[in-house]
This record gives sequence, C-alpha cells and structure tokens, in this order.
Amino acid sequence: EDQVTQSPEALRLQEGESSSLNCSYTVSGLRGLFWYRQDPGKGPEFLFTLYSAGEEKEKERLKATLTKKESFLHITAPKPEDSATYLCVHRGGYQKVTFGTGTKLQVIP
Amino acid sequence: NAGVTQTPKFRILKIGQSMTLQCTQDMNHNYMYWYRQDPGMGLKLIYYSVGAGITDKGEVPNGYNVSRSTTEDFPLRLELAAPSQTSVYFCASSYSLYNEQFFGPGTRLTVL
Repeated sequence: EDQVTQSPEALRLQEGESSSLNCSYTVSGLRGLFWYRQDPGKGPEFLFTLYSAGEEKEKERLKATLTKKESFLHITAPKPEDSATYLCVHRGGYQKVTFGTGTKLQVIP
Repeated sequence: NAGVTQTPKFRILKIGQSMTLQCTQDMNHNYMYWYRQDPGMGLKLIYYSVGAGITDKGEVPNGYNVSRSTTEDFPLRLELAAPSQTSVYFCASSYSLYNEQFFGPGTRLTVL
C-alpha cells in the first residue's frame, strides 16, 4: 500500500535545540517530494521541493534532504515562531499525490 | 495578489442539505485541486482540474461534484450532505503538474 509516514507525530523542543523530522515513503515513482508548513486554522504553506536522492534545500533555519526512500527536515536553533505542523508530500505519476499526517512541532521559549 | 481564496470559512449543514464551496485563484494557474483534511489523516484529493472545462476524480470523489468554467474559479458542490463529509476542505492551485501547490485558507464544514 502506498504510504507516507512521518515521525515523530509530535516534537517539543527548547528554543535553540536542533532536531530532525523524518518522512519515509513506500510510494513508487517519485516525481517530487514536497515539504509544507501548516499553522492552526490555515492552509499548508510551501517550503521545499526535492526531486532526486542527494538533493538538499535550505531556507533560514530549515534544511531538507532526500534519500531514495526518505526525506529529513532539519531544524537548526529553532525559534518559537517555527512552531507548526510540518507536512511531507510524495508526488508520483500524473495525479498520484500522497500526504503524510504531519509532525506537530512546538518550540518552547 | 490574493492567491487562493475560499468561501465560506465555516458552515454547518443539516443531513441532506446541499451547498457549494467557492474557490478562486488570481495566479493564472491551470491546475486546481480540492482536498479534504480529517483529524489524524493526511490530506486526500477529492477532484482536480487541469484547465477550464477539464476535471477529473481524485482519491475520494464520492458525494462531491465540481465544474471549471473559468481559469480562476473551481467550485466544489456537495449534494445530500452526510456526517461523513464533516471535514476541513482546502482548495489549491499550481502552475504545472509537478510544481508546488498554493493552498487557500480552508472551509470548515460540519454536517449534523
């Protein structure tokens, strides 16, 4: 069965405490691995797209990496404003799109 | 640019009622999508459109209908609402098939 699994489900960090979020997938035919941020009561907001194993993208305190079957979102020295749910999305062929259930990140001041 | 806008923000329906969720984008994107998000579940694709006049089913289309008469608008119609349709609905658009999607703020629908 096609699945995108994100771990942990929830993560609580102290401000400045770096960590990583994991996204593993069993879906075949990767055409793009997307990361989104979702704040409560809002729609997902695009962060990164990764297309091939070994690719990395960075934005401020966030860095996304991709291997053959998983992706990591590394958060360096997080701030309270980084608190959100982070969604991983596997884009396969044509309209095959599979969302993970997300990791809810809370950064404590 | 307003991006993707959705109306209404909230709605309560009785079982058997019908309604239309509105979605408009001002980015001139050909691709538009409707998703539902249930607690503890990933977003599920309901319907999508690759351009005006062209729509197709996604993963969970039962109980819904769509139309796309213009590039900007992609309304989602619920006929004979059921409690199982209680969810948060998101509309999205993208420039091409494999580009990032831009999401609207969502409509929270409750069917009682």
